Amino acid sequence: GQQVMQIPQYQHVQEGEDFTTYCNSSTTLSNIQWYKQRPGGHPVFLIQLVKSGEVKKQKRLTFQFGEAKKNSSLHITATQTTDVGTYFCAVISNFGNEKLTFGTGTRLTIIP
Amino acid sequence: DAGVTQSPTHLIKTRGQQVTLRCSPKSGHDTVSWYQQALGQGPQFIFQYYEEEERQRGNFPDRFSGHQFPNYSSELNVNALLLGDSALYLCASSLGVLTQPLHFGNGTRLTVT
Repeated sequence: GQQVMQIPQYQHVQEGEDFTTYCNSSTTLSNIQWYKQRPGGHPVFLIQLVKSGEVKKQKRLTFQFGEAKKNSSLHITATQTTDVGTYFCAVISNFGNEKLTFGTGTRLTIIP
Repeated sequence: DAGVTQSPTHLIKTRGQQVTLRCSPKSGHDTVSWYQQALGQGPQFIFQYYEEEERQRGNFPDRFSGHQFPNYSSELNVNALLLGDSALYLCASSLGVLTQPLHFGNGTRLTVT
């Protein structure tokens, strides 16, 4: 079945430092979405990527879809305390099964 | 514009009992998906309902069943509860095809003792 790994599992950074999480799939993807879940909250949609090599930016957040459409990354520049939470990628495989499968998540904590 | 609403927010049940969770989708959405999220884990897909039918299903036993009503609201039923069913159950709504972004509710925290 679809396997989606995210690294690192945990990341602790000083406020103002950059942060990157990586999402890796065992199969080629048709679609990848990123969600953020604050502690005690529910996942909130951030962005969707569909094209090979696609790069999208949202203020301090940069999202990239790999050329082979098997991996993706989320980079946050100059982290702030409001960035605390768990970041999940969620993927749809190219092979007919249209389930949105969530990754293992990266939990970001900020040291003020 | 109401978002996704779920009820109840918390629930405590005993092993072997049955439970029903409820979800109202965001206004204008017609598709409802259910996810199970264990503590410290990512959401696991249970199933998705569209046009009152189960369209996709994850790797969950038949003890997990659902329903979608003509007003697009949905129920998740779990029979013969096990301790391992303790989790946060998230409902998410979307418009049409699965590739559309999901809007999640706040979830129902189920504890099985």
